[in-house]
Amino acid sequence: RKEVEQDPGPFNVPEGATVAFNCTYSNSASQSFFWYRQDCRKEPKLLMSVYSSGNEDGRFTAQLNRASQYISLLIRDSKLSDSATYLCVVNLGGSYQLTFGKGTKLSVIP
Amino acid sequence: DAGVTQSPTHLIKTRGQQVTLRCSPKSGHDTVSWYQQALGQGPQFIFQYYEEEERQRGNFPDRFSGHQFPNYSSELNVNALLLGDSALYLCASSGQQGDYGYTFGSGTRLTVV
Repeated sequence: RKEVEQDPGPFNVPEGATVAFNCTYSNSASQSFFWYRQDCRKEPKLLMSVYSSGNEDGRFTAQLNRASQYISLLIRDSKLSDSATYLCVVNLGGSYQLTFGKGTKLSVIP
Repeated sequence: DAGVTQSPTHLIKTRGQQVTLRCSPKSGHDTVSWYQQALGQGPQFIFQYYEEEERQRGNFPDRFSGHQFPNYSSELNVNALLLGDSALYLCASSGQQGDYGYTFGSGTRLTVV
């Protein structure tokens, strides 16, 4: 089983739609969780950290379920500029390594 | 304020050759990590350098080695290149106090032919 697994995608959605991405992680000792965004042929950029109580940043909402080892990202009112690959990222406690999922590609269509 | 800078941006090498990639961390950062991203995959951790020492290593063979200099910049060396080493190599810098606010450079795209 892969350490971090994401929806395979791609997701093609119209502008204004709401889209949700899911991610599961295998190591229960994982302590820090993130969503990164990567545009085509560019570097990953931190979108948001994910906290146990859930957190929101504008149109983006992240949720963490430690019992199910599950992370989600919800994007409301999708914009064309949201088109990118979204990477689920996990860090084990006591480790300096970030473990990335393969990513889910989102295309927002006019 | 300069972010993470990597050089070169693109590189083509022949199988069996050696390559050196370079990274300058973001101002104020003293920790450098290297990642390999193959096409269609997420980045894979190679190793992290702090205080000029390799602090943690991922599941990569000894052909992959690195160095960190007193000014915190870093090099990644890959010996005996294989076709499978073709990838985007990303450098990420951070502060060392458990700060996971990693900043990634735009990467070096290595093609091995």
